[in-house]
Amino acid sequence: AQKVTQAQTEISVVEKEDVTLDCVYETRDTTYYLFWYKQPPSGELVFLIRRNSFDEQNEISGRYSWNFQKSTSSFNFTITASQVVDSAVYFCALSVRGGNEKLTFGTGTRLTIIP
Amino acid sequence: DAGITQSPRHKVTETGTPVTLRCHQTENHRYMYWYRQDPGHGLRLIHYSYGVKDTDKGEVSDGYSVSRSKTEDFLLTLESATSSQTSVYFCAITPYSGSPYYEQYFGPGTRLTVT
Repeated sequence: AQKVTQAQTEISVVEKEDVTLDCVYETRDTTYYLFWYKQPPSGELVFLIRRNSFDEQNEISGRYSWNFQKSTSSFNFTITASQVVDSAVYFCALSVRGGNEKLTFGTGTRLTIIP
Repeated sequence: DAGITQSPRHKVTETGTPVTLRCHQTENHRYMYWYRQDPGHGLRLIHYSYGVKDTDKGEVSDGYSVSRSKTEDFLLTLESATSSQTSVYFCAITPYSGSPYYEQYFGPGTRLTVT
């Protein structure tokens, strides 16, 4: 069975600070996919990134960066120079090849950026 | 924009009544999913479909049924609504017809309250 743990339930930081959201996953499969989604206060779910298990390169997109480490089963998300618009609930998710085609989500981290 | 709409967007119903939620997509995606979102649980898969008339159960399928008689519509039915089914329901699609192992894109959600 797959499991995704987001131990940080809520985080608050002052605007312009950097913040890292943690994601730890569990799976016995060797081929899997990791995702991050953003859910702003308006409620929609916005896809941010997908990472395959065989690609451990970190990724940067503007102020966002992702650190994938298979050795620690982690896929952490860092926001640099945070802005109020980054306030949202962030979900990490996992799917596996050969499974039942489902995304297994973590419970989410609510990030509040204080102006 | 993945072209996904959900109806209704909000619904209040009484315990014991049947309820049907509709997910409609405009781009002939093969894979469609229904999730529910509850505090402390993230999103959990209810049912999914991998083609017309092809559906399977997810993690929390008890009390729910689905139907997909045409590519663009995926219906979720609560046979006899209970208060534990009060939740926000999201429909999702995978925009690659050959595989489900890519990111999913979500509809705007339906907030269902069972009184």
